[in-house]
Amino acid sequence: DGGITQSPKYLFRKEGQNVTLSCEQNLNHDAMYWYRQDPGQGLRLIYYSQIVNDFQKGDIAEGYSVSREKKESFPLTVTSAQKNPTAFYLCASITRSGSEKLFFGSGTQLSVL
Amino acid sequence: QQQVKQSPQSLIVQKGGISIINCAYENTAFDYFPWYQQFPGKGPALLIAIRPDVSEKKEGRFTISFNKSAKQFSLHIMDSQPGDSATYFCAASASGGTSYGKLTFGQGTILTVHP
Repeated sequence: DGGITQSPKYLFRKEGQNVTLSCEQNLNHDAMYWYRQDPGQGLRLIYYSQIVNDFQKGDIAEGYSVSREKKESFPLTVTSAQKNPTAFYLCASITRSGSEKLFFGSGTQLSVL
Repeated sequence: QQQVKQSPQSLIVQKGGISIINCAYENTAFDYFPWYQQFPGKGPALLIAIRPDVSEKKEGRFTISFNKSAKQFSLHIMDSQPGDSATYFCAASASGGTSYGKLTFGQGTILTVHP
């Protein structure tokens, strides 16, 4: 089945540690996005990439980094500079041709130990 | 800057009733307005979407009403069912160029439908 796979589903970070969240899609979508979800705040855009080897900062990029070496993959690293990393992280993708429907993965819950 | 404001934060409805969720936006460049449904522990899924060239769009029990002059849009769920219990997000984006797929979300509404 086509879709977006996020892993792991749950992740724990120790203070000062960098952690990487995986996002893989087999939808042949051009653009990929990372959103952060906090209770009562909706979803906020962290980073996005519309083509391979290129990415742009979203509204809350500080403390995060990404790469887009392959069309299918868009990993997100939460660095030690992100002081409040506890949140539900959602990866999404969209094709640039036709529908504007944004597809989401099932998310990764990141918590701080 | 919060560009899409959603209300209410939570909503309780009896089975068979009508659920209404409202959103207001500020950015007049927005031209695509989707609603997403999210169940606990899952990612949001597109429910229904509208563009400003129409004032209403209906898909089954779900209807979007759009008021361009007031910069407001709302989701109506008719004959609400317990299975509709979820969090609903409105969103908006400006299509084309680098804005493609960049959604600005409302804060979300937790809907509970009692049997």
